[in-house]
Amino acid sequence: DGGITQSPKYLFRKEGQNVTLSCEQNLNHDAMYWYRQDPGQGLRLIYYSQIVNDFQKGDIAEGYSVSREKKESFPLTVTSAQKNPTAFYLCASSITHLPDRTETQYFGPGTRLLVL
Amino acid sequence: AQKVTQAQTEISVVEKEDVTLDCVYETRDTTYYLFWYKQPPSGELVFLIRRNSFDEQNEISGRYSWNFQKSTSSFNFTITASQVVDSAVYFCALRFYGGSQGNLIFGKGTKLSVKP
Repeated sequence: DGGITQSPKYLFRKEGQNVTLSCEQNLNHDAMYWYRQDPGQGLRLIYYSQIVNDFQKGDIAEGYSVSREKKESFPLTVTSAQKNPTAFYLCASSITHLPDRTETQYFGPGTRLLVL
Repeated sequence: AQKVTQAQTEISVVEKEDVTLDCVYETRDTTYYLFWYKQPPSGELVFLIRRNSFDEQNEISGRYSWNFQKSTSSFNFTITASQVVDSAVYFCALRFYGGSQGNLIFGKGTKLSVKP
């Protein structure tokens, strides 16, 4: 089945620890995204990548890092610099519509990060 | 400024009632795209519809219908004969043409509870 997978479903972080959230897609989409969702809030963009080996900061990139070494994979690392990491993290990938070259984003099932 | 407002934080209806979720947006662009996503309790965002600013035709898909009115900057979503499975948080989102890819602006969502 084609889709977006995220792992783990739940992740616990200790103080001062870096943790990495996995996102994989087999939809052959070029672009991938990471969002953070806090309770009662909409989604806020952390990072996005339009092609392999290239990525841009979103609205709340501080305390996070990403890599895009393969088209299918876009892991997110929550570093110790992120002081309030408890949230629901959603990964997305997008298909580009022609001729207007805009995109529709499709989302994975999410990872819930909790701080111990 | 680009902004999406979903004024209804929570709505509760009884099964088989019709319900409308409101979405009001702000943008200075003449070309833009609007989206609705559904987030069931499992957490994954499910894409429902994409509409561009040139197409003001209303759309119907089964029990779902969307009313796009540029004059009032609204893109409302109606569920006819609601069912318990419709219980979810619904997000409206805006993407303006020419913005950097990834620039999808979400409202804060409306939580719909459908009671049997």
